[in-house]
Amino acid sequence: SQQGEEDPQALSIQEGENATMNCSYKTSINNLQWYRQNSGRGLVHLILIRSNEREKHSGRLRVTLDTSKKSSSLLITASRAADTASYFCATDGSEKLVFGKGTKLTVNP
Amino acid sequence: NAGVTQTPKFQVLKTGQSMTLQCAQDMNHEYMSWYRQDPGMGLRLIHYSVGAGITDQGEVPNGYNVSRSTTEDFPLRLLSAAPSQTSVYFCASSGQLGGETQYFGPGTRLLVL
Repeated sequence: SQQGEEDPQALSIQEGENATMNCSYKTSINNLQWYRQNSGRGLVHLILIRSNEREKHSGRLRVTLDTSKKSSSLLITASRAADTASYFCATDGSEKLVFGKGTKLTVNP
Repeated sequence: NAGVTQTPKFQVLKTGQSMTLQCAQDMNHEYMSWYRQDPGMGLRLIHYSVGAGITDQGEVPNGYNVSRSTTEDFPLRLLSAAPSQTSVYFCASSGQLGGETQYFGPGTRLLVL
């Protein structure tokens, strides 16, 4: 069974706009990760946020984690066409990562 | 470093055939795992290994076997392919337990007729 669930399933924006994706999960976690997958390719790790952290930044990415609400958000600022991809959250409660179904982001030039 | 490599990139099988999907990593990672990705289903864990000689089942292990004789290699065997195993298969590795950052291979696209 999936632990994380992303929302929305699909998102279409214009270049330069910000994109926000959300992830909700069900059980306690040690950390939450976000991955990107370009069409036909493997997943690439973007950022990891631990359960005792509330916010983390990496370049144009900002991730927040609210353990009381069991939710996380990924914000991509000033989006580019190259950001077009599927984005997955992954949670771990034990020794395995469990992935959500992903948000498909399309950034239109 | 090549990272995580997978072969073949694409394979067509007939129902009942067997095959082995290869996965290798050159990062000296202890943890390796196999996922399958189906449309609208995200990634689901098939089998994983926390070190040479140690394997365990994930969420969807039926129809698949694994072994881990070396740190570098983690092959996935389909014993008798079924159309339900048509999917894209990804191998991943990480330096610590599976909860840490995982590095993914490029995937193997499998079609079972």
